[in-house]
Amino acid sequence: AQSVTQLDSHVSVSEGTPVLLRCNYSSSYSPSLFWYVQHPNKGLQLLLKYTSAATLVKGINGFEAEFKKSETSFHLTKPSAHMSDAAEYFCVVDRYNFNKFYFGSGTKLNVKP
Amino acid sequence: DVKVTQSSRYLVKRTGEKVFLECVQDMDHENMFWYRQDPGLGLRLIYFSYDVKMKEKGDIPEGYSVSREKKERFSLILESASTNQTSMYLCASSGLGADGNTIYFGEGSWLTVV
Repeated sequence: AQSVTQLDSHVSVSEGTPVLLRCNYSSSYSPSLFWYVQHPNKGLQLLLKYTSAATLVKGINGFEAEFKKSETSFHLTKPSAHMSDAAEYFCVVDRYNFNKFYFGSGTKLNVKP
Repeated sequence: DVKVTQSSRYLVKRTGEKVFLECVQDMDHENMFWYRQDPGLGLRLIYFSYDVKMKEKGDIPEGYSVSREKKERFSLILESASTNQTSMYLCASSGLGADGNTIYFGEGSWLTVV
């Protein structure tokens, strides 16, 4: 079974409108959850991390994500998209906090002028 | 800031050549990883290491080997490169302590085998 599922392979928004990138995970334990961003020809950069301290996690560049245990979701949001946000985003889970990471298949975000 | 450095960003090698991809991290992390990334296939784990001289196979180890002689350095070796190993290779590290299990990535190495 998939440990992490990104529900959209592509998302397109207009500049200045909200962004929602969806991620669902499967874990019977209390996992660590992450969002990473990858710009073309670059490595993955950490946006934010959830480790059970608070369900709403704020990250860099105005992104935030909310951990909802009842829905096993960890969706990434941003109130207002910028052109520079166009990139691929990965949801990642460490199911048992053993440094064993499972990656979603990625969501490509397109931002239209 | 954590820094994971991959020494070669772009390489072109011939079929059958031995290829070394080098990775160095500066955060004294215990764990280091090699992934390959291909369109439509996402990130796939090749090998990881949780200590010096220790290694574990990931999901796609065939055709690859690794070396970790020092804690900060993790090398990926293609013994005899083949065209199906043309890909983007990503090195990463993670540690213990306050930063816990956050994984940090290098900028990637684009390998083309001709």
